[in-house]
Amino acid sequence: EPEVTQTPSHQVTQMGQEVILRCVPISNHLYFYWYRQILGQKVEFLVSFYNNEISEKSEIFDDQFSVERPDGSNFTLKIRSTKLEDSAMYFCASRGGQPVGNSPLHFGNGTRLTVT
Amino acid sequence: EDKVVQSPLSLVVHEGDTVTLNCSYEVTNFRSLLWYKQEKKAPTFLFMLTSSGIEKKSGRLSSILDKKELFSILNITATQTGDSAIYLCAVPSGGTSYGKLTFGQGTILTVHP
Repeated sequence: EPEVTQTPSHQVTQMGQEVILRCVPISNHLYFYWYRQILGQKVEFLVSFYNNEISEKSEIFDDQFSVERPDGSNFTLKIRSTKLEDSAMYFCASRGGQPVGNSPLHFGNGTRLTVT
Repeated sequence: EDKVVQSPLSLVVHEGDTVTLNCSYEVTNFRSLLWYKQEKKAPTFLFMLTSSGIEKKSGRLSSILDKKELFSILNITATQTGDSAIYLCAVPSGGTSYGKLTFGQGTILTVHP
């Protein structure tokens, strides 16, 4: 069964450094997402991406964050200058379907980001 | 603000027991409710419910939605140790996107042999 893949599985970085989290969504999917889960807390929406642009973003997704689909397969999340509170599990997700289609999200295994 | 509340927060049972997990929601524009199972890593999709009263079933797991009372239940019969996980309930929220999900805090299920 096709799956969403994320790399790396764990990233440790120092405060103030830039990180790029990478994702390869399911190949025929059109909609891409990033979520995060701080340890012990709920899974939270960050951003959705469709047709090469951001379609929606949360309050968490401030100017320090950006997303890109640099080629036909990768989808990346960049955090420009990491803060301690950015430490979390970051999940990439994708889904297929029409713009108003009701298809479920499929999640990757996540990247655990630790900011020291 | 859309809200999803799950109960109980944690549950410990023995193999063979039946469990019922609850999810209540408040959402401005209801489209569907989803259940996910989260083991060590990715939430994996279990069910999507859109209509009241129609049970969805997959093996020992089943789920049903009540749109009048704004809740859903997830039942697991004859539990096994492999059912130990966090079970997440979520609803699409905001605009017309089906992918912006509001999650509940999850129910941690532990099944002892």
